[in-house]
Amino acid sequence: NAGVTQTPKFRVLKTGQSMTLLCAQDMNHEYMYWYRQDPGMGLRLIHYSVGEGTTAKGEVPDGYNVSRLKKQNFLLGLESAAPSQTSVYFCASRSGQGADTQYFGPGTRLTVL
Amino acid sequence: AQRVTQPEKLLSVFKGAPVELKCNYSYSGSPELFWYVQYSRQRLQLLLRHISRESIKGFTADLNKGETSFHLKKPFAQEEDSAMYYCALSGLTGGGNKLTFGTGTQLKVEL
Repeated sequence: NAGVTQTPKFRVLKTGQSMTLLCAQDMNHEYMYWYRQDPGMGLRLIHYSVGEGTTAKGEVPDGYNVSRLKKQNFLLGLESAAPSQTSVYFCASRSGQGADTQYFGPGTRLTVL
Repeated sequence: AQRVTQPEKLLSVFKGAPVELKCNYSYSGSPELFWYVQYSRQRLQLLLRHISRESIKGFTADLNKGETSFHLKKPFAQEEDSAMYYCALSGLTGGGNKLTFGTGTQLKVEL
């Protein structure tokens, strides 16, 4: 089991560029989450999904879009990157069967110039 | 609304000294509380959860509903405990369990 994986590990973008971050899990988990981690602010939830084909907004959704076309994948898109989106992005998944342990990916470090 | 407060950004202790990382929460329902740990350049991982009432790596945490606290404690700090610690609360808002994280406390254990 690879657990939760994220692609890419690092990325540098220019303002206005777009990109997609991929999260994949091989644990057959129903719930998936995207967080951003910023110094002094902890982890903040961007979007989440409670199952294939469903998505919902989290605490800081503006400037991001997500899709969950397949149960094992959760994509996070930035349509027009801004310097304020410079952050470390973590994906997480959870079984959704009453167990609240979230399993995290290794993170993607994104810099927007 | 649910909120988690970790008042200390940085906690520095000497090896062998007791450790207490503070966590206070605000939640109208019955909360589930967790401690997650992130070692340098590694992913976040669950350290412990209050319903398990277990001790992991010598750490314990007791949920105090009266004081709305879930402080993390260890009697004797080890160098390998140096890490970022996040307290988190699980609520049932919006049809999917979400975790609300505190801002984290960096624990530094000095020799």
